[in-house]
Amino acid sequence: DTAVSQTPKYLVTQMGNDKSIKCEQNLGHDTMYWYKQDSKKFLKIMFSYNNKELIINETVPNRFSPKSPDKAHLNLHINSLELGDSAVYFCASSQEADEAFFGQGTRLTVV
Amino acid sequence: GESVGLHLPTLSVQEGDNSIINCAYSNSASDYFIWYKQESGKGPQFIIDIRSNMDKRQGQRVTVLLNKTVKHLSLQIAATQPGDSAVYFCAETYNDYKLSFGAGTTVTVRA
Repeated sequence: DTAVSQTPKYLVTQMGNDKSIKCEQNLGHDTMYWYKQDSKKFLKIMFSYNNKELIINETVPNRFSPKSPDKAHLNLHINSLELGDSAVYFCASSQEADEAFFGQGTRLTVV
Repeated sequence: GESVGLHLPTLSVQEGDNSIINCAYSNSASDYFIWYKQESGKGPQFIIDIRSNMDKRQGQRVTVLLNKTVKHLSLQIAATQPGDSAVYFCAETYNDYKLSFGAGTTVTVRA
């Protein structure tokens, strides 16, 4: 049973399109995150939600809009995709001050 | 810039030898540190963690050392195996909602 699952695993799309990535966790965690990993493997936090409330927004362009319909889901919608948005996006969850569990990642390629 | 970084981007180690991966952090308020392992095509996986009230913690074949005086973290892997080949990240947090990652060290195990 996958703890943190995100879909799709691969996403290829044209510039200017709007796309969404879905994330679900079945760990009962209160906190969920979106991270972006660039081509040099650097992982940078984008958003953090706790009990459906936005806690952290790390100066991400407002083309990126996370939505948390309940505490088990945190989806990421991206408007007007740009070439620079190409990266691997990871969803993660954690409970209080414990370690974060990561999904398998979504490789987004903007062409 | 990011508060967590690694001293070396790559490490090549002979199978059976011990590996040491280093990490420096700059935020003296950080109170929780985690080492993650990321294999190709997968999300980061938890290896071991340590809180700021400790200076050493051991797991199965892994040991994490924390030196708060010089803000240094290290991961030691005993008897390195081919399956240990991966990118290793240190991460820190000073609250429950933001885990900051270093740049990663790519470990290659030579047969």
